[in-house]
Amino acid sequence: DIQMTQSPSSLSASVGDRVTITCRASQSISSYLNWYQQKPGKAPKLLIYAASSLQSGVPSRFSGSGSGTDFTLTISSLQPEDFATYYCQQSYSTPHTFGQGTRLEIK
Amino acid sequence: QVQLQESGPGLVKPSETLSLTCAVSGYSISSGYYWGWIRQPPGKGLEWIGSIYHSGSTYYNPSLKSRVTISVDTSKNQFSLKLSSVTAADTAVYYCARRDYVSPGHWFDPWGQGTLVTVSS
Repeated sequence: DIQMTQSPSSLSASVGDRVTITCRASQSISSYLNWYQQKPGKAPKLLIYAASSLQSGVPSRFSGSGSGTDFTLTISSLQPEDFATYYCQQSYSTPHTFGQGTRLEIK
Repeated sequence: QVQLQESGPGLVKPSETLSLTCAVSGYSISSGYYWGWIRQPPGKGLEWIGSIYHSGSTYYNPSLKSRVTISVDTSKNQFSLKLSSVTAADTAVYYCARRDYVSPGHWFDPWGQGTLVTVSS
C-alpha cells in the first residue's frame, strides 16, 4: 500500500494568513493526488484533483501543486469558513489511501 | 445534480453482517462511473472500502476484502455494502461516493452525508 503522510497534523492560523499543508507519498504517484476539506459532522468535499486542478465551485484561494512524492495545498488568504480538516488521497494504485488529515484551527 | 444518500441500521451486533444501501438521484448508475464506499471511525481518518462499476465489476481494499461485498441494483439506481463478521473496530461513519475521473486519475465526488454504524451488543 502507498502511505500518505501529511504535515503538520494540526495548524493554528488567523484569518487572512497564507497556509500551506504538505502531503508526501511513500512512492511516486505522478500527479494522482486529490485534496478534500471536511468540516465537523459533514462529508468530505473535493477541493483539488489531479494535484493542481481546482474543482468547480471551489474558491480560487485554494491551490495545489506537486508531482511524484511531494505535494502541497495552499490557501492564499484564510477565510473563517476554511477552518476544517484537510485530507490528501492518492489514486495512483489500489487501495486508494488517504493521509491522516491536517486540522486547521483558528489562532 | 447528483446526490447520494446512505441508509441502513445504525446498530449492528458483533459477529453479524453490516448492510448499507446508497441511493443515487440525479444520475443513472447504468450510464457509467464507478461508485464507492469509504468509512471513518469516530475521530479518525478516512479508509476506502471498495468500489463497483455499473456492470457489477468490483475491487476492494485488501485489508477488508475477505469480509466485503459490494453490489449494484441498476433497476433501483442504488448500490450496497455488506461487511461480515463485524467487530467494534468496524464502528464508523460510512460514506458512499461517486468515483469521478479524467483518465487516468480519479477522485471521489460527490459524497453522501454519511451514516454512523455502531457495532455493539
